[in-house]
Amino acid sequence: AQSVTQLGSHVSVSEGALVLLRCNYSSSVPPYLFWYVQYPNQGLQLLLKYTTGATLVKGINGFEAEFKKSETSFHLTKPSAHMSDAAEYFCAVSEGTGFQKLVFGTGTRLLVSP
Amino acid sequence: GAVVSQHPSWVICKSGTSVKIECRSLDFQATTMFWYRQFPKQSLMLMATSNEGSKATYEQGVEKDKFLINHASLTLSTLTVTSAHPEDSSFYICSAPPIAGGSTDTQYFGPGTRLTVL
Repeated sequence: AQSVTQLGSHVSVSEGALVLLRCNYSSSVPPYLFWYVQYPNQGLQLLLKYTTGATLVKGINGFEAEFKKSETSFHLTKPSAHMSDAAEYFCAVSEGTGFQKLVFGTGTRLLVSP
Repeated sequence: GAVVSQHPSWVICKSGTSVKIECRSLDFQATTMFWYRQFPKQSLMLMATSNEGSKATYEQGVEKDKFLINHASLTLSTLTVTSAHPEDSSFYICSAPPIAGGSTDTQYFGPGTRLTVL
């Protein structure tokens, strides 16, 4: 069975600092990997995804993630945090046909201080 | 972008009663919708796959008689928690992949429904 581990339920950064949210996965098949963001009272929004091809994936709002098969990781980064980045971030791996059934990590709350 | 709504956004009910949660795709159609449950400080766990015009598919360990799913149309799926108990208190989230548009992995999530059973 596939699984996702997100290290750190909370990550605090200062505005302008580097954001690094960690995600490790386990999968017996080539995975599709996703990062979602959830703002209060809103549905999950897709930040970026890795399917095939280039291992460095760029998403919305300046975020990017790199698929490292040897490390089974898909860490999310952003060079400079903005106050508006404060939210809950979920890493997920696809399961099943159609790549629509997702297995999620426990989420990481990003806190950004002025 | 595509929007999925859920109603209600939060509900409090007494133990033993039933609660219905609606998931609607507002500007697209979906033959499949997914229902997730999220307990505090835990990940979203897939409960079931709702299929328009046919029976839902439940994940292992999810009681189909307790969590009734009806996918009545291409824009509406409902989850009914029957005879709710305090341990059913959770955050319920639905998602819907559109029939048309997007890749095979595209899906849109609702904002969730928080259920509290007293």
